[in-house]
Amino acid sequence: GENVEQHPSTLSVQEGDSAVIKCTYSDSASNYFPWYKQELGKRPQLIIDIRSNVGEKKDQRIAVTLNKTAKHFSLHITETQPEDSAVYFCAASNQFYFGTGTSLTVIP
Amino acid sequence: DADVTQTPRNRITKTGKRIMLECSQTKGHDRMYWYRQDPGLGLRLIYYSFDVKDINKGEISDGYSVSRQAQAKFSLSLESAIPNQTALYFCATSTMGDLNNEQFFGPGTRLTVL
Repeated sequence: GENVEQHPSTLSVQEGDSAVIKCTYSDSASNYFPWYKQELGKRPQLIIDIRSNVGEKKDQRIAVTLNKTAKHFSLHITETQPEDSAVYFCAASNQFYFGTGTSLTVIP
Repeated sequence: DADVTQTPRNRITKTGKRIMLECSQTKGHDRMYWYRQDPGLGLRLIYYSFDVKDINKGEISDGYSVSRQAQAKFSLSLESAIPNQTALYFCATSTMGDLNNEQFFGPGTRLTVL
């Protein structure tokens, strides 16, 4: 089966700085890579996704990049704000496999 | 608004008891999933169902069973609960299609097994 690794497990940044979270996957057949945000006490919600036929996708302050050759994809958050503080999960391969999560703290 | 709901939201039980967690959705989605969330381990798939007659084991199905009573309902059972099944359980749904699509999660059920 698929193996999804996510780093770092915790990340603290100053407000206004950028944050980058990285995931690697093992199954070269994986073709869909979503990112979910889970605020404290809430359910995970999709914030951005990318399919294997593109290398980058942006939505305002967030972007995702995909390197199929290296089997890794990354979430980039620019101009971070306190409301970006949450746990972020990546997923791959039919979304059956999630990364272990990154707890992001944005310090005002 | 169309939504995914879970009952109960919190449950405390004792070792050896049978527990059922229920999930209902009004999104009209065919696919439904059960995950458990543990600190540091992320979301792990327990079972999934692509339609009423389709049930599949996920990564960690041992000790669990499911029932898809209708398109809108998917229940998770712990036949004999044990303390290491203490976790936050999420139900999720998604549309059917050739490509994978966004999953919509329920609010979660926090289960404690004493």
